[in-house]
Amino acid sequence: DAGVIQSPRHEVTEMGQEVTLRCKPISGHDYLFWYRQTMMRGLELLIYFNNNVPIDDSGMPEDRFSAKMPNASFSTLKIQPSEPRDSAVYFCASTTRQESQYFGPGTRLTVT
Amino acid sequence: QQQVKQSPQSLIVQKGGISIINCAYENTAFDYFPWYQQFPGKGPALLIAIRPDVSEKKEGRFTISFNKSAKQFSLHIMDSQPGDSATYFCAAIPWRGSTLGRLYFGRGTQLTVWP
Repeated sequence: DAGVIQSPRHEVTEMGQEVTLRCKPISGHDYLFWYRQTMMRGLELLIYFNNNVPIDDSGMPEDRFSAKMPNASFSTLKIQPSEPRDSAVYFCASTTRQESQYFGPGTRLTVT
Repeated sequence: QQQVKQSPQSLIVQKGGISIINCAYENTAFDYFPWYQQFPGKGPALLIAIRPDVSEKKEGRFTISFNKSAKQFSLHIMDSQPGDSATYFCAAIPWRGSTLGRLYFGRGTQLTVWP
């Protein structure tokens, strides 16, 4: 079975540009999570969905960040406008009830 | 507020030795306890997990010990190998309540196994 798929794997952009990260969860999983990892702050939960509905977005840093899940097999995390402090590795993970989360390979974002 | 406390922050072990990482929690709503292994440049990978009705779970060289009354659990890596050098995260998940399904991570332990 394919695991969680994320694209792009690397993104380099200039400050002020819009960035869109994409995630395809494991088929059959009804929970989807977006995380950010930095050396300073470790792994932070940004937002998570259940059955395509956002459950908790309290970790979203500010209004520049938005996430959508239009269907069970696709989610996006958008940053507009991007800032250098958004540079991090962004992970998507998915799971189903009573199980652990499975993480994707991550997107390394660099904002210059 | 860190809901899952993990120690030590870093650990150095000789090849063939036993690596032990400890975690503690307070929230009794947690009912699933996974451990993740992360290599540089990779995503966290599920290593082993335990439910609170079991006191121990073993998979190969990896064992979770779980003490429900003390709200503590630990990861033991037997016969540690240089390839085990990675960051290990303990975690806890509540599968009931308002945050069901959310994964609460410890801060991680950087394990180095010397050959």
